[in-house]
Amino acid sequence: QVQLVQSGIEVKKPGASVKISCKASGYTFTSYGISWVRQARGQGLEWMGWIATYNDNTNYAQKFQDRVTLTTDTSTETAYLEMRSLRSDDTAVYYCARDREWLRPWGQGTPVIVSS
Amino acid sequence: DIQMTQSPSSLSASVGDRVIITCRASQSIGAYLNWYQQRAGKAPKLLASALPNFQSAVPSRFSVSGSGTDFTLTITSLQVEDFATYYCQQSYTMPITFGQGTRLEIK
Repeated sequence: QVQLVQSGIEVKKPGASVKISCKASGYTFTSYGISWVRQARGQGLEWMGWIATYNDNTNYAQKFQDRVTLTTDTSTETAYLEMRSLRSDDTAVYYCARDREWLRPWGQGTPVIVSS
Repeated sequence: DIQMTQSPSSLSASVGDRVIITCRASQSIGAYLNWYQQRAGKAPKLLASALPNFQSAVPSRFSVSGSGTDFTLTITSLQVEDFATYYCQQSYTMPITFGQGTRLEIK
């Protein structure tokens, strides 16, 4: 079945970087892009960006344009989100999801905790 | 950016009730409106779309309607597993934006 499996929990200090992975299976990886969405505890969903897996074209939310980089590795069918200069308010669960319009399925989420 | 506004923010209902959640876009988005269900501690799940060509596997008690700026998600005969948070999302243009969510609780 179509599945996205994300890397595990990350604990980082302010100012550090984090790189989260999202491994796809059950479909042709390059046929669908990957979106990234985050959710702070008790809050709503915040779209961060999208990457086209067939040519690595990206589209970022303006808020994350300068701190986030989306990449893919087609040989391992894995998408990555890297965020730099982490702040305490980046503490959230980060999700990957297949596609750009109809986000499905979603990965299980990767908690990122930013704390000194 | 297109702003998505849901109402109500929270809702208490009983098993068997009918509930309606609304979503309003700050500009016309045609039928490019999707609904997600998020159960506690789980990832969101795509529930339905206002686009006519969307194929959904959700139970028939869920229905969506609307176009342009105003949309509704109706759940008839609520089941225990329906108590969750629901989000609308516009896919008309980038950046994709979500509503703030509607938390559906058991009365």
